[in-house]
Amino acid sequence: SQTIHQWPATLVQPVGSPLSLECTVEGTSNPNLYWYRQAAGRGLQLLFYSVGIGQISSEVPQNLSASRPQDRQFILSSKKLLLSDSGFYLCAWSPIPGGRPSTDTQYFGPGTRLTVL
Amino acid sequence: GQNIDQPTEMTATEGAIVQINCTYQTSGFNGLFWYQQHAGEAPTFLSYNVLDGLEEKGRFSSFLSRSKGYSYLLLKELQMKDSASYLCAVMDSNYQLIWGAGTKLIIKP
Repeated sequence: SQTIHQWPATLVQPVGSPLSLECTVEGTSNPNLYWYRQAAGRGLQLLFYSVGIGQISSEVPQNLSASRPQDRQFILSSKKLLLSDSGFYLCAWSPIPGGRPSTDTQYFGPGTRLTVL
Repeated sequence: GQNIDQPTEMTATEGAIVQINCTYQTSGFNGLFWYQQHAGEAPTFLSYNVLDGLEEKGRFSSFLSRSKGYSYLLLKELQMKDSASYLCAVMDSNYQLIWGAGTKLIIKP
């Protein structure tokens, strides 16, 4: 069966500090991978998605970046955090054939709660 | 623009039935998803509708009308553990999920 891991679970960082959140998926190959952010009481905002190694699409201009160095690893980074970066960060995967977008269901990792002070 | 609307909060009684509505306006349509999210946790998949009609899964059912841009999630025999937020999401023509803000469902004994 497939599992998705995220770490850390919680993080408190000062403004201006760097960020690195990691997500890994097990039990599947060549998944679509996604990074979302959820502000308190709000819907999910898609930040990045990837259909393959080194292929990243950005949905929202911001000070965040994403990388996919391996097939089942997705990393969210920032060089300098802003107060507005606080939120619940969720990584998700969906099964796809042939590395293209599809209507397959997205499955979420446990999330990272980030507080920027 | 793209828009998903659902009520912010609903209250229901244990053992009863509740219907959570979702209306949408999106660029294209490749299906509608319902997810359940308990406080502080990640969303978990409940249902997917791409054709008009009702899909039933145990105590949960989901309905879709594409012509009306409308869906609902029906929860029967409510249990206290059903207290959670329910998120409606529509996949647009670019295969991106557009998310509603979620409906917080409060179950009272």
